Amino acid sequence: GDSVTQMEGPVTLSEEAFLTINCTYTATGYPSLFWYVQYPGEGLQLLLKATKADDKGSNKGFEATYRKETTSFHLEKGSVQVSDSAVYFCALSAGGSQGNLIFGKGTKLSVKP
Amino acid sequence: DSGVTQTPKHLITATGQRVTLRCSPRSGDLSVYWYQQSLDQGLQFLIQYYNGEERAKGNILERFSAQQFPDLHSELNLSSLELGDSALYFCASSPSWTPQGVNSGNTIYFGEGSWLTVV
Repeated sequence: GDSVTQMEGPVTLSEEAFLTINCTYTATGYPSLFWYVQYPGEGLQLLLKATKADDKGSNKGFEATYRKETTSFHLEKGSVQVSDSAVYFCALSAGGSQGNLIFGKGTKLSVKP
Repeated sequence: DSGVTQTPKHLITATGQRVTLRCSPRSGDLSVYWYQQSLDQGLQFLIQYYNGEERAKGNILERFSAQQFPDLHSELNLSSLELGDSALYFCASSPSWTPQGVNSGNTIYFGEGSWLTVV
């Protein structure tokens, strides 16, 4: 079945470092891909999305490109801030009986000043 | 603020009890979803409703049930609670429902969750 695999955390970076969180997926069709973020003590927020191959989603300095050939949707940010500390979830939209969203296990990011 | 409202935010109850979690979707959204987030299972889809009808079912226990009312708000009922039911329960909503295999780019917006602690 459809699935999402993202890199295990936790990831600890210094402020202004470059961030990459890897995400790969398995899907029978052509899903939409999402990154959600969960800040400490809060709910899930949509960070960015891409709906077709080669689309780039971007928001708040974060970017991810939908790569069909490598079935990947890696999250990147050029210069992280302490306020980016959160758990990041990669997800795909499967539609139909799978309830539309299949999540990866989440990657916890801690940014130190 | 996603526009999805969940109540209560926190709930502590004893084993064997029954609780009801409530969700109001974003204005205009017809689909409501329930997810459970626990440390060991991660984020798991429970159930989805679209315009009052059940559309998809995930890993929802028989002790749990849900419904969506004519005004589109939804309730998740959890009964005969066990310690392992302690989790963060999210409600989410989206404008539409996507059939299997169709990529509509349908975006799902989440509420802040209801923290359930069973003691």
